Amino acid sequence: AQKVTQAQTEISVVEKEDVTLDCVYETRDTTYYLFWYKQPPSGELVFLIRRNSFDEQNEISGRYSWNFQKSTSSFNFTITASQVVDSAVYFCALTTYNTDKLIFGTGTRLQVFP
Amino acid sequence: GAVVSQHPSRVICKSGTSVKIECRSLDFQATTMFWYRQFPKQSLMLMATSNEGSKATYEQGVEKDKFLINHASLTLSTLTVTSAHPEDSSFYICSASPDLWAFFGQGTRLTVV
Repeated sequence: AQKVTQAQTEISVVEKEDVTLDCVYETRDTTYYLFWYKQPPSGELVFLIRRNSFDEQNEISGRYSWNFQKSTSSFNFTITASQVVDSAVYFCALTTYNTDKLIFGTGTRLQVFP
Repeated sequence: GAVVSQHPSRVICKSGTSVKIECRSLDFQATTMFWYRQFPKQSLMLMATSNEGSKATYEQGVEKDKFLINHASLTLSTLTVTSAHPEDSSFYICSASPDLWAFFGQGTRLTVV
């Protein structure tokens, strides 16, 4: 069975602080994909990144970076120098080659205060 | 990138009526689409997998007679909430996953009064 755990329900930071959102996943499949989405108050899901199970390279995109570690089944997301506009709910999700379904974590609500 | 369009974005209906939500893939063909439901401050829960030309596959606990899914073409899946009640008020969002990417519609906020 597939499972995604986001242990942090809510995080509050002050602008310019760095923040890391944790994601731990479970799957028995060897081919899988991990995603991060941002959901602002409007509700729309904004795609941030997709990473496949064979690519453990960390990725940086502007203020965003991702740390994928298969040894610990984690795919953590760091926002550097956070801004108020980063306030949203962030979801980590998993799909596997065999299922096609996207399984979501419970989400982490990030509040960035000025 | 691939685009999934969902309509309407917001709907208010009276208790007992039915509501249809459309999900279209605009620039690719989707033999499979997914419908999710999200209650306030909760995660997205998969309701069903919509299969073009065949019956949808529903997740455990989802009433298939209440949430009718039709996937009559390669670019359109519809979710009909039948005899809606206030407890059906929620955010519904569809997705399609070509090549194991996951593209989402804009979501539909349903309020049943």
